[in-house]
Amino acid sequence: EVQLVESGGGLVQPGGSLRLSCAASGFTFTTFPVTWVRQAPGKGLEYVSGIGTAGSTSYGTSLEGRFTISRDTSKNILYLQMTSLRVEDTAIYYCAKIFASGSPYFDHWGQGILVTVSS
Amino acid sequence: EIVLTQSPGTLSLSPGERATLSCRASQSVSNSYLAWYQQKPGQAPRLLMYRVSSRATGIPDRFSGSGSGTDFTLTISRLEPEDSAVYYCQQYGGSPLYTFGRGTKLEI
Repeated sequence: EVQLVESGGGLVQPGGSLRLSCAASGFTFTTFPVTWVRQAPGKGLEYVSGIGTAGSTSYGTSLEGRFTISRDTSKNILYLQMTSLRVEDTAIYYCAKIFASGSPYFDHWGQGILVTVSS
Repeated sequence: EIVLTQSPGTLSLSPGERATLSCRASQSVSNSYLAWYQQKPGQAPRLLMYRVSSRATGIPDRFSGSGSGTDFTLTISRLEPEDSAVYYCQQYGGSPLYTFGRGTKLEI
């Protein structure tokens, strides 16, 4: 059974940094791409970042190099390092698995972790 | 960036009726890389349809998807109260790789 469990969220001041983690089980990162998707309060879904099976990375718009995705394949943990955080980065951050390489759909999601950027 | 426009913003229907949700893309969606998700309050989204018309695991056949190019439709027949949710379409391709529509809220 696929499971994704996010951690590391919380309250941070504008300009601060935070690292999110996503512990995955039931599959491996070398077989399926994984991503981060966020949702601001009361808003829609926004693609943040993804990492492919071979380690290639991609990012959504409006991040301007402030976020970095990485993974530990030995532990099957996905990370999102967030720096220079802004109020508008406040959102629930979901870790989501991609259906398969060549099938770019989010078929499993974590429960989400709240990041609040506020002074 | 491929922008997805969903309509209507809110749809109010009664149990047993049929819902028709629209998703229009600003450019042609390549390789039918179009999916639909259902999100209920306080929950993560759930994949409903992928590759335009394929149902995800466990999704009842009351849900169906159609369309091509820039115009796509999610149809939900024989509505049930549990279908109340926000529905998002999503496409893959271009930059950024993935984009979502703003959602349609379905009230039963």
